[in-house]
Amino acid sequence: AQTVTQSQPEMSVQEAETVTLSCTYDTSENNYYLFWYKQPPSRQMILVIRQEAYKQQNATENRFSVNFQKAAKSFSLKISDSQLGDTAMYFCAFMICEYIFGTGTRLKVLA
Amino acid sequence: SAVISQKPSRDICQRGTSLTIQCQVDSQVTMMFWYRQQPGQSLTLIATANQGSEATYESGFVIDKFPISRPNLTFSTLTVSNMSPEDSSIYLCSVYRGTYGYTFGSGTRLTVV
Repeated sequence: AQTVTQSQPEMSVQEAETVTLSCTYDTSENNYYLFWYKQPPSRQMILVIRQEAYKQQNATENRFSVNFQKAAKSFSLKISDSQLGDTAMYFCAFMICEYIFGTGTRLKVLA
Repeated sequence: SAVISQKPSRDICQRGTSLTIQCQVDSQVTMMFWYRQQPGQSLTLIATANQGSEATYESGFVIDKFPISRPNLTFSTLTVSNMSPEDSSIYLCSVYRGTYGYTFGSGTRLTVV
């Protein structure tokens, strides 16, 4: 069975600094999708970044980038130049036919 | 953390019909949430379903289109009514258990033809 593990329940970072959120997963499949979602207090789930497993190149969206290590089954999210608005829960998710979410990392950006 | 069983995992439905999606949680939870993810989009919150009260709908979602039931602390259903192809999405339930955090269902992939 597929699993997703986020080992950091909480993290904090100073404004303008860089932070990396870790995510590991387990699967025997070769083709799948990985996501990072941001959940602000409104409880919306905002798609931050998406990675297709067949693509070797790491996905990037502005200040957000991932380090996708397929062999190691690792999918970490790097946030550069952290902003106060980045404060939120962050969920890592895996999908083939169904979603599997990690337990989330609560990130706090400090002024 | 809680375990959620969401059913069905996928369905193909005719336009004009309705589909009811179920989420069963293995422990009692107060707060349950329903999301929709249209192709290529984020997960959009449809409503919050608390046991013993009417569901609270987000802007753009109405009870007539997405009626929700929450008969007890372990179960909820979302119905997608009078479906059109625009309703083709992934529907996802989630629960919040305070210090135990969030847990998500596996999603229902709906295709309306």
